[in-house]
Amino acid sequence: DAGVIQSPRHEVTEMGQEVTLRCKPISGHDYLFWYRQTMMRGLELLIYFNNNVPIDDSGMPEDRFSAKMPNASFSTLKIQPSEPRDSAVYFCASSLSGANVLTFGAGSRLTVL
Amino acid sequence: GENVEQHPSTLSVQEGDSAVIKCTYSDSASNYFPWYKQELGKRPQLIIDIRSNVGEKKDQRIAVTLNKTAKHFSLHITETQPEDSAVYFCAASTGYSNYQLIWGAGTKLIIKP
Repeated sequence: DAGVIQSPRHEVTEMGQEVTLRCKPISGHDYLFWYRQTMMRGLELLIYFNNNVPIDDSGMPEDRFSAKMPNASFSTLKIQPSEPRDSAVYFCASSLSGANVLTFGAGSRLTVL
Repeated sequence: GENVEQHPSTLSVQEGDSAVIKCTYSDSASNYFPWYKQELGKRPQLIIDIRSNVGEKKDQRIAVTLNKTAKHFSLHITETQPEDSAVYFCAASTGYSNYQLIWGAGTKLIIKP
């Protein structure tokens, strides 16, 4: 398996623009997580899905953030409108039920100017 | 809810010496304790984990110990090498219906040549 695939790897955008980050989990994994990492706040869980259903989105910062998982092999994290404080590395991770082990993607580094 | 504290935030050791990183947790129901390593610019990767029915686990130069009474667990790295330089994160989870990991803030380990 190619692992968890994220795109884009790097995104530079201007304040107010819409940003869409994409993730393809490992085939067969039934949990998908979106994390945000910054120096100040460390690793923050934004939202996670089980069998494509959002289970806990309490970590989503505000209504500007939304996430979807239309099928077992694809998820998106959208920020609209983006702000400079959204600049961070966004990681997607997946896991197999009962295993707890998270496999992370390579991350998407977002810079909002 | 669960809270995980990790110490120290930075650890510098001479190559060949041992390194110990300690985490404390607050929820006595936590039963799964992984350690992730994140090299500069890379994704976090699981290096070792332990469940609450085990007091110690070893994998070559890496070991994790768990003290359920005191609610703390530690990562031990022996014979440190330059490639051990990274940020190490501990985490805790109850691992039942909630698959959320509660993360420590991370320890930057520096191996001095």
